Amino acid sequence: EVQLLESGGGLVQPEGSLRLSCEVSGFIFSSYTMNWVRQAPGKGLEWVATISNSGDAIFYAESVKGRFTISRDNSKNRLYLQMNDLRAEDTALYYCAKEGSVRWTYYFDYWGQGTLVTVSS
Amino acid sequence: QSALTQPASVSGSPGQSITISCTGISSDVGGDRYVSWYQQHPGKAPKLMIYEVSNRPSGVSNRFSGSKSGNAASLTISGLQTEDEADYYCTSYTAYGALVVFGGGTKLTVL
Repeated sequence: EVQLLESGGGLVQPEGSLRLSCEVSGFIFSSYTMNWVRQAPGKGLEWVATISNSGDAIFYAESVKGRFTISRDNSKNRLYLQMNDLRAEDTALYYCAKEGSVRWTYYFDYWGQGTLVTVSS
Repeated sequence: QSALTQPASVSGSPGQSITISCTGISSDVGGDRYVSWYQQHPGKAPKLMIYEVSNRPSGVSNRFSGSKSGNAASLTISGLQTEDEADYYCTSYTAYGALVVFGGGTKLTVL
């Protein structure tokens, strides 16, 4: 059974930092591109970042570029999102999501339950 | 402002069919077959319903179907059921800027 479990969310002050983690199981993690998607309270889904299976291809939304860093540890089956210089508009539920195929497919077939990040003073 | 345009809401009665549109441009929806659709119930994670324009993942009812014409994609739900009431999001690969773009979401109400 595929499982994705996010952690690391919480309350942080503006300009602060937070590191999210996503532990996965039930599939060969090192074979799949992985993604972060967020959802602000009461709002729609927003793609945040993508990392290829080997980590050599990385993409970010313009809204987080230069502040967020996506990474992965294939030996630990873990995906990460380092978030720096956080702003109020980064407040959201952050989901990790698995790519739907071992090739680039740009759809996400499994999602975690999300971890909530609140940026407030 | 979302990159893909969806109606904010649609509604239908049980047993009816509804269609949700998703409009983009030639560099996203119109450019390739990387359009997908997600269903999200309140407080739940999104669920993949359609991928690559018209493919259904295993376990998704055949009442859900997808199509595309030019820069617009559509999700059709036939034989509406009360459990179909949810938010629906389209998404697409984009050749410029972001890798993936989402629509703003459509709230489906089953009357």
